[in-house]
Amino acid sequence: AQKITQTQPGMFVQEKEAVTLDCTYDTSDQSYGLFWYKQPSSGEMIFLIYQGSYDEQNATEGRYSLNFQKARKSANLVISASQLGDSAMYFCAMREVISNFGNEKLTFGTGTRLTIIP
Amino acid sequence: EPEVTQTPSHQVTQMGQEVILRCVPISNHLYFYWYRQILGQKVEFLVSFYNNEISEKSEIFDDQFSVERPDGSNFTLKIRSTKLEDSAMYFCASSEREYIQVYEQYFGPGTRLTVT
Repeated sequence: AQKITQTQPGMFVQEKEAVTLDCTYDTSDQSYGLFWYKQPSSGEMIFLIYQGSYDEQNATEGRYSLNFQKARKSANLVISASQLGDSAMYFCAMREVISNFGNEKLTFGTGTRLTIIP
Repeated sequence: EPEVTQTPSHQVTQMGQEVILRCVPISNHLYFYWYRQILGQKVEFLVSFYNNEISEKSEIFDDQFSVERPDGSNFTLKIRSTKLEDSAMYFCASSEREYIQVYEQYFGPGTRLTVT
């Protein structure tokens, strides 16, 4: 079974600083994908970034980048130049193929609550 | 940009009552999902649905739960006899499998279910 571990329940970061949110995973699959979602206090799940296991380069989306270290089974999220609006819960997730028809499910970590301090 | 919608945003019900949570997935998506998040906890997979049938369900998804795609647009989650522990945020998601391109599961804004 797949497992996602986020060891930082909460983090406080000064505005404009960079922050790294940790995520380690465990899977026996050769092909997998890793996601990061942001959940603000309003509750919705916002997709941030995706990394496929065969992608040779680290994924980047604006201020978000994913530090993917396959041998260490880690997929840390890096947010550069943090903003007050980045304060939210952040979830790392892994996709698991359910069937041969492409049906998949996501397994989530327990999340990290990030608070940006002005 | 297309999005997944869910109604209602908040539902309050009494223990033992039936509730139906509604979702409208993105129109060209083929795979539909329900997830649950108990307050302060992680998001948990409930069920996936493809080609008009359940393709996978978790141990949480017992006989009290059912899903249906009654027409070409809606996707519903029914809880027959709600329990206090069913209080949670319920997320609907949909995806379109792309074997070449990156894809994602698009999440709806959630329905907060409160069982009293």
